[in-house]
Amino acid sequence: EVQLVESGGGLVQPGGSLRLSCAASGFTFSSYWMEWVRQAPGKGLVWVSRINTDGSTTRYADSVKGRFTISRDNAKNTLCLQMNSLRAEDTAVYYCARKNFNGMDVWGQGTTVTVSS
Amino acid sequence: QSALTQPASVSGSPGQSITISCTGTSSDVGGYNYVSWYQQHPGKAPKFMIYDVSNRPSGVSNRFSGSKSGNTASLTISGLQAEDEADYYCSSYTSSYTWVFGGGTKLTVL
Repeated sequence: EVQLVESGGGLVQPGGSLRLSCAASGFTFSSYWMEWVRQAPGKGLVWVSRINTDGSTTRYADSVKGRFTISRDNAKNTLCLQMNSLRAEDTAVYYCARKNFNGMDVWGQGTTVTVSS
Repeated sequence: QSALTQPASVSGSPGQSITISCTGTSSDVGGYNYVSWYQQHPGKAPKFMIYDVSNRPSGVSNRFSGSKSGNTASLTISGLQAEDEADYYCSSYTSSYTWVFGGGTKLTVL
């Protein structure tokens, strides 16, 4: 079964850091670009970041550029998102997703990040 | 990158058809045939429904169809069913090599 499972969310103070992980299974992880998308409570989906197959090319939304870093370990079938200098507005459910067919065809169940003092 | 514009809500009765619009600019929707649509039920992850404007992934009902004209894409759901009640999001590739989503549309099946 094709599956993505996020972990690493939690409560963090403003200015703090958190590292999210996404474990992939059931497909050849190294063959797919991967994405992070977030959804603030009661709000819509917002694209956050993308990484290509070998990790050499990354893209970020302006709102997280310079604070978040996306990475991947193809040997461990794992996608990561290092989040630094967190702000209240980063509070959201964070989803990892597989890029395929010029869209995102497989999504994880999400992990919740809450930034609050 | 500003979010694509979708109506906040639409509604329809079982068996009817509804259309959800998604308006962007020439830098996203109008410039690429890389529009996708996602269905999201409360508390669940989004589900991939349409890609490349009008293509359905395997397993998605043919009651769902997509189209595009200029800077506006549309999702049409025919033969509405109770289980179609959900939030729907459009997304487009952009000239900045990023993705942008719409604000989402809540579909109510009356």
